[in-house]
Amino acid sequence: KQEVTQIPAALSVPEGENLVLNCSFTDSAIYNLQWFRQDPGKGLTSLLLIQSSQREQTSGRLNASLDKSSGRSTLYIAASQPGDSATYLCAVYMGDMRFGAGTRLTVKP
Amino acid sequence: EPEVTQTPSHQVTQMGQEVILRCVPISNHLYFYWYRQILGQKVEFLVSFYNNEISEKSEIFDDQFSVERPDGSNFTLKIRSTKLEDSAMYFCASSALQRGLGETQYFGPGTRLLVL
Repeated sequence: KQEVTQIPAALSVPEGENLVLNCSFTDSAIYNLQWFRQDPGKGLTSLLLIQSSQREQTSGRLNASLDKSSGRSTLYIAASQPGDSATYLCAVYMGDMRFGAGTRLTVKP
Repeated sequence: EPEVTQTPSHQVTQMGQEVILRCVPISNHLYFYWYRQILGQKVEFLVSFYNNEISEKSEIFDDQFSVERPDGSNFTLKIRSTKLEDSAMYFCASSALQRGLGETQYFGPGTRLLVL
């Protein structure tokens, strides 16, 4: 059974820092992996999608990598801003979508 | 920018009552999904729907749940006889493609269901 784990569960950094969020999954037979952002009480906003054949995707200050064989993905956020404060979820798709519990990020001004 | 919309944003119901949660997916999308998130827990997949039939469902999606696309724009989730443990945020999502073709799923803002 696919298990998705995100470390750390919470992270607090000062504005301007670069940071890395980690996601691991137990079954490497995925079609793709997607990173989402969730603001309190709100829906999910898709940030990046990496297909199983890809190694990384970039969008603005965000860079996501995927190492399917080792069951790992990272989300790199450059020059963090207070507006980046949210919970970041990773999810793997293999017929259905399995989510991690998320990393709650706080960026302090 | 096109977006997925959901109504109502909040619903309170009595245990045993039927509820229908409504979603309007992005207009040119062909695949539709429902997820739920119990407070403080992970987002969980319920069901995916394509071409007027269920394509995948989780063990959560038992006989008390059903989905329907009653017209060309709406996608609904019905819970026949609600239980206390059905209290959660329910998210609808849609995508243009599915199954390894790498298409992003776009989520609605959710319906918060509270069963008393």
